[in-house]
Amino acid sequence: QVQLQESGPGLVKPSDTLSLTCDVSGYSISSGYYWAWIRQPPGKGLEWIGSIYHSGSTYHNPSLKSRVTISVDTSKNHFSLNLGSVTAADTAVYYCARSGTAVITPITYWGQGALVTVSS
Amino acid sequence: QSVLTQPPSVSGAPGQRVTISCTGSSSNIGAGYDVQWYQQLPGTAPKLLIYDNRNRPSGVPDRFSGSKSGTSASLAITGLQAEDEADYYCQSHDSSLSGSLVFGGGTKLTVL
Repeated sequence: QVQLQESGPGLVKPSDTLSLTCDVSGYSISSGYYWAWIRQPPGKGLEWIGSIYHSGSTYHNPSLKSRVTISVDTSKNHFSLNLGSVTAADTAVYYCARSGTAVITPITYWGQGALVTVSS
Repeated sequence: QSVLTQPPSVSGAPGQRVTISCTGSSSNIGAGYDVQWYQQLPGTAPKLLIYDNRNRPSGVPDRFSGSKSGTSASLAITGLQAEDEADYYCQSHDSSLSGSLVFGGGTKLTVL
């Protein structure tokens, strides 16, 4: 069974960089599939941040692209999110997830989510 | 504003049938991209409910069904149960956003 677990600081200061890691168990990232980051501000809807293939190819939400870096480390079987120049609007629960063998495939596995608050 | 439009809330009594609409445009649903539906129970991560417009993953009851026509999609829930009370999100992709994954704003289902 594929399991995903987000980890990282729960509090980030404005203008700093938000960094999260998603540890994957039950499946080897290097075997394929797309791996995604999705966020949900408190009381609001879901927003896709971006996706990465095991080879390192990435796709980003155009509205966030200039601030987002998604990377994968197959040796540690995890992938990461860096979001720069954060503001209070970036406060959200951040989910890591897995979709299919193409970027336009359903999201089939989700992590439990990690709340990140942006505040001084 | 979300690229895909859903009603903020719907409600129904136990045993009834409810539908949730998801309205898009010619650059997403109308362009032929498939629609997925996710169920999010309070305090939990979303769960895939319907994929590729009308298919149910293993374990999802057949009370849940999906359809797509033109630039819209719908989720129908029959035989409503108290445990169905949750937020529901539609999801597709949009060619005007470089194929980005897009979500609807979500619909809160209340079981009366």
